[in-house]
Amino acid sequence: DSGVTQTPKHLITATGQRVTLRCSPRSGDLSVYWYQQSLDQGLQFLIQYYNGEERAKGNILERFSAQQFPDLHSELNLSSLELGDSALYFCASSGAGGLYNEQFFGPGTRLTVL
Amino acid sequence: AQSVTQLGSHVSVSEGALVLLRCNYSSSVPPYLFWYVQYPNQGLQLLLKYTSAATLVKGINGFEAEFKKSETSFHLTKPSAHMSDAAEYFCAVSPFILTGGGNKLTFGTGTQLKVEL
Repeated sequence: DSGVTQTPKHLITATGQRVTLRCSPRSGDLSVYWYQQSLDQGLQFLIQYYNGEERAKGNILERFSAQQFPDLHSELNLSSLELGDSALYFCASSGAGGLYNEQFFGPGTRLTVL
Repeated sequence: AQSVTQLGSHVSVSEGALVLLRCNYSSSVPPYLFWYVQYPNQGLQLLLKYTSAATLVKGINGFEAEFKKSETSFHLTKPSAHMSDAAEYFCAVSPFILTGGGNKLTFGTGTQLKVEL
């Protein structure tokens, strides 16, 4: 158990809909990262937050957005969903004890868009 | 931009045989390098990491990797494969110089390891 939790574990929805994925980092970690894993694109970095502020952006679509709240949990919002958004979405966290070069991954949320 | 290349999307070994999973990186300066393992329907678990200390890095479950700057490689090895090692393995790279709050990981395409009796 990495200490990173993600909910829900599975999500099935229809095209055009909007969903929210939630992530709680390990205790003491200030950084949260979101990654997308798909058969087509592999593991891709989406976005990073550090202590509530956006720190880095990767291949994140404009239809996607994220935020990190004062209690450090993070949410990834996916809107106007398309079939191609079906993927496994991982959250990772780092930073406790100053160890920012090691990321701990949650179990992921599997999104299926029908 | 940094990148990693994993040679061989599928590797099959016999139980008890040597495991060798290849990873080559591309970076203008030596980066941090990682190997992660992903078991079916699970998240990613860190096996080991290179952060510029020792070039031979020992990880969990008997795995180790050697950083070779001249070859820009960070291959993962295990002397004797076990059935429980069957999983997908990812090599990843991040910048050496830490920005505030850490850096993103750039992953390779993964290698599926099959262990046969």
